Amino acid sequence: DIQMTQSPPVLSASVGDRVTLSCKASQNINKNLDWYQQKHGEAPKLLIYYTNNLQTGIPSRFSGSGSGTDYTLTISSLQPEDVATYYCYQYNSGYTFGAGTKLELK
Amino acid sequence: QVTLKESGPGILQPSQTLSLTCTFSGFSLSTYGMGVGWIRQPSGKGLEWLANIWWDDDKYYNPSLKNRLTISKDTSNNQAFLKITNVDTADTATYYCARMRMGNWFAYWGQGTLVTVSS
Repeated sequence: DIQMTQSPPVLSASVGDRVTLSCKASQNINKNLDWYQQKHGEAPKLLIYYTNNLQTGIPSRFSGSGSGTDYTLTISSLQPEDVATYYCYQYNSGYTFGAGTKLELK
Repeated sequence: QVTLKESGPGILQPSQTLSLTCTFSGFSLSTYGMGVGWIRQPSGKGLEWLANIWWDDDKYYNPSLKNRLTISKDTSNNQAFLKITNVDTADTATYYCARMRMGNWFAYWGQGTLVTVSS
């Protein structure tokens, strides 16, 4: 089974900061990775699919990158509405969510 | 407009079988490339993928739960189903269904249904 490790578990940042969330796979997942945002009490929302494709309707301050085992979600300028937990999800071999990174405002 | 809505028993006892229904609109599970997945989330914890079913009836299960899971669909009534046998308190969670199309990403999600396993 492929394990997905997200870091950090909790991230505190200020409005306007550039924020980087990391997701590391236990083996090469060939860019078969998505990022989901989940706000408190809501269903998850797809932000990025297949590593770097922005889902329709998602602000352009969100971007994804990576290859092999290492992937990154970047928020170019943090907004208050971005407070949420972010999950990566791989589907290269089986299907696995990471444990999430909780993003808070400083 | 794509919508999905989960329904379930709310509460059930240990050892019983959990039956969940995902009723959707705005797409058909008989259309090439369409799929529905089930994901769950215990309160305060992360997401766990459970199972996927595709338009061609191809099915995939979480290996850690495979012996207890059965996913199915009713294309005529725009529904997908998940059964989990022999539940225990660890199966207490909010259960989501979500749509896939051509890729394995979940672009549309239901609101989730809370299932509590308690004696």
